[in-house]
Amino acid sequence: GQQLNQSPQSMFIQEGEDVSMNCTSSSIFNTWLWYKQDPGEGPVLLIALYKAGELTSNGRLTAQFGITRKDSFLNISASIPSDVGIYFCAGQLRRGTGTASKLTFGTGTRLQVTL
Amino acid sequence: SQTIHQWPATLVQPVGSPLSLECTVEGTSNPNLYWYRQAAGRGLQLLFYSVGIGQISSEVPQNLSASRPQDRQFILSSKKLLLSDSGFYLCAWNRQGNTEAFFGQGTRLTVV
Repeated sequence: GQQLNQSPQSMFIQEGEDVSMNCTSSSIFNTWLWYKQDPGEGPVLLIALYKAGELTSNGRLTAQFGITRKDSFLNISASIPSDVGIYFCAGQLRRGTGTASKLTFGTGTRLQVTL
Repeated sequence: SQTIHQWPATLVQPVGSPLSLECTVEGTSNPNLYWYRQAAGRGLQLLFYSVGIGQISSEVPQNLSASRPQDRQFILSSKKLLLSDSGFYLCAWNRQGNTEAFFGQGTRLTVV
């Protein structure tokens, strides 16, 4: 089955630093999503990517859909304490009307920001 | 706007007891509905999904079942819980044909 590997698994950074994380797949995907999960909460959608090579921003967050369609990257600029949480990538191979969106999730990158 | 509600937020149940977790979506019709489980420190595993009332697809064999008695209601059940059923259960929805899924707040289930 499809596997998504996220790296790094965890990272400690200082406030104000930039953060980079990535997600790689053994299969190609048509869609990549990035989520953030706070402790004890459900994941919240940050960015959605639909096209190979696409670069999309959401405030201080920027994500890219890799050219090979097997990877995606998330960057956070000028990190702040509320960026703490677990970041998940998720991919979907197939899009279509009348079908369910069966997402494959990565294992997550735990981000901790120190003052 | 659309909202998704899950309850209860936390649950402690003895081994062998039944389970019923409920999820409802408001502000939309005919959504796709999903149940995921998240083990501690792990990613999300899709358990069940539904594209319509009474239509349930199971992704992994397990001790759980799902039902969709109404358009915007999704229920996760078990007749007899196992210790291995402990985890964080998340309900999610999206529109038919869309990829972005939106999650509820989750239910922390501890089987003792």
